[in-house]
Amino acid sequence: QSALTQPASVSGSPGQSITISCTGTSSDVGGYDYVSWYQHHPGKVPELMIYEVNNRPSGVSNRFSGSKSGTSATLGITGLQTGDEADYYCGTWDSSLNVGLFGGGTKVTVL
Amino acid sequence: EVQLMESGGGLVKPGGSLRLSCAASGFTFSRYSMNWVRQAPGKGLEWVASMSSSSSHIYHADSVKGRFTISRDNAKTSLYLQMNSLRGEDTAVYYCAKEVGDAMDVWGQGTTVTVSS
Repeated sequence: QSALTQPASVSGSPGQSITISCTGTSSDVGGYDYVSWYQHHPGKVPELMIYEVNNRPSGVSNRFSGSKSGTSATLGITGLQTGDEADYYCGTWDSSLNVGLFGGGTKVTVL
Repeated sequence: EVQLMESGGGLVKPGGSLRLSCAASGFTFSRYSMNWVRQAPGKGLEWVASMSSSSSHIYHADSVKGRFTISRDNAKTSLYLQMNSLRGEDTAVYYCAKEVGDAMDVWGQGTTVTVSS
């Protein structure tokens, strides 16, 4: 069970836009449209930001967006704010192994 | 208000056992698949186990298979994780999470498990 691949860190200045990639295989990310993204501030509870590739739960800012192409998914954050500093994880299901998968996590820093 | 509350964590010696519980409220527990996810110190999130609403589909990560068992009691709106043969690498914060369409939309506060002699 290999974790999905994410960059270790991404940074940007306030107001800028950033993207975080999440790469998997045809059995997980590329298999179907059930990629989700979580924001996790250390010491807090993880929060669902995006589900089913590009859907936002109610209450999540429209500055957050998701997309997918082939075996890679992307989380986009526009208008970067200091409160966006957190760890971000992609997640999905591996339909061939019947296991859940998370990416290794990406630390977002607002410069 | 939708809530999940974990309990049962603590300090245990290698080879020991613990049973985690997750009490659910504010939603129809019996309609949703549930998961356990953990985060070891300094590490990322790791999926541990999943159980469907009717308990017909049960899955465990390879890292815990044969040692951990997920279960649920829909009448008590509770999720459980029986952890046996604990190892140092099982030290982590354990979260229970409600699942909707393969996404985890509600998480508990977490309970800490420390495996050390």
